[in-house]
Amino acid sequence: QSVLTQPASVAGSPGQSITISCTGTSSDVGGYNYVSWYQQHPGKAPKLMIYDVSNRPSGVSDRFSGSKSGNTASLTISGLQAEDEADYYCNSYTSSSSYVFGTGTKVTVL
Amino acid sequence: QVHLVDSGGGVVQPGGSLRLSCAASGFTFSNYGMQWVRQPPGKGLEWVAFIRYDGTNKYYADSVKGRFTISRDNSKNTVYLQMNSLRGEDTAVYYCAKARNFDYWGQGTLVTVSS
Repeated sequence: QSVLTQPASVAGSPGQSITISCTGTSSDVGGYNYVSWYQQHPGKAPKLMIYDVSNRPSGVSDRFSGSKSGNTASLTISGLQAEDEADYYCNSYTSSSSYVFGTGTKVTVL
Repeated sequence: QVHLVDSGGGVVQPGGSLRLSCAASGFTFSNYGMQWVRQPPGKGLEWVAFIRYDGTNKYYADSVKGRFTISRDNSKNTVYLQMNSLRGEDTAVYYCAKARNFDYWGQGTLVTVSS
């Protein structure tokens, strides 16, 4: 079970938009619309931000959006705010009836 | 509101065993699958195990298969993770999470494997 590949870090200024990629294979990201994204602040449990590629749970800001093309999923944060500074992880269901997380991306608000 | 409380962590010697618990409230527990996820200190998230809503099917990461067992008691709204033959690389914060979307998470419980 390999991990999904994310950039180690992404930075942006307040108000800008940033995009985090999550690259897998046809056995996970490319094969199912079961990609989700999590935000984790230091010392806290992760929080679901996007599920099933592009759906937002109730209470999550519409500044967060998700998409997928082939074996790569993406999370876009629009109108970047200081509170968005955190680690972000993608996750996908796999053909082995298991789940796999991404390597994680640290988002810095400049 | 949904609430998950993880417990049972601690310090254990290599080769030892530990059982983690996750007590759930605020939703119909018996209707949802449950997950365990771990995070070594300073590192990323790793999926560990999933159990279906009725306990009939269980799935494990290769790294824990044959050593860890996930189970649940729907009468107690609790999911468990029995961990045997523990190794240093099992040291992590362990989180339970609800359903296939991991839509709610416990606060985590720290397991340290060290002599």
